[in-house]
Amino acid sequence: EAGVAQSPRYKIIEKRQSVAFWCNPISGHATLYWYQQILGQGPKLLIQFQNNGVVDDSQLPKDRFSAERLKGVDSTLKIQPAKLEDSAVYLCASSLMMVRDTQYFGPGTRLTVL
Amino acid sequence: GENVEQHPSTLSVQEGDSAVIKCTYSDSASNYFPWYKQELGKGPQLIIDIRSNVGEKKDQRIAVTLNKTAKHFSLHITETQPEDSAVYFCAAYMEYGNKLVFGAGTILRVKS
Repeated sequence: EAGVAQSPRYKIIEKRQSVAFWCNPISGHATLYWYQQILGQGPKLLIQFQNNGVVDDSQLPKDRFSAERLKGVDSTLKIQPAKLEDSAVYLCASSLMMVRDTQYFGPGTRLTVL
Repeated sequence: GENVEQHPSTLSVQEGDSAVIKCTYSDSASNYFPWYKQELGKGPQLIIDIRSNVGEKKDQRIAVTLNKTAKHFSLHITETQPEDSAVYFCAAYMEYGNKLVFGAGTILRVKS
């Protein structure tokens, strides 16, 4: 079975620019997550979708971050404008239905903001 | 608040020795505890998990123990091999917030 796909793998931008990340979850997985992983730390949940509805976005800095999951499949995460502290790896994960189902992670997108 | 503490932050062992990583959590309602292994340039990969209805689970060289009273759980790797070198993360499902909260990670180095 194909895993979680993410693109791009790497992105370097200047501060105040915008950037978008794309995620394609495992086929049939209803729940999709975006995590931020700062160097030396564990992943931190930014937003959780179930099908195309937002379940939890309490940790998403909504003044600059936005995410959508059209048609309950693919998802995009956008940052506009980026700040230096947004430099991190952005991980997408998916699970069959519930948070307590196994979460499968993609390879991540490493973002560097200069 | 929601918190998972993980120790040690780095661990070096000789090939063939055992490695133990420990985590504590704050939410007494937590009932699902996965462990992930992350290699350089890759996303975390689930290696083992445990639910609160059991105290121990084993899969070949890997075992996890859970003490719900003390709110801590541990990962045990026996007969370590160089390919076990990676960053290991524990996580706990937080009933409040319906989400996984991760520890800060342990860098495991297995020296051959």
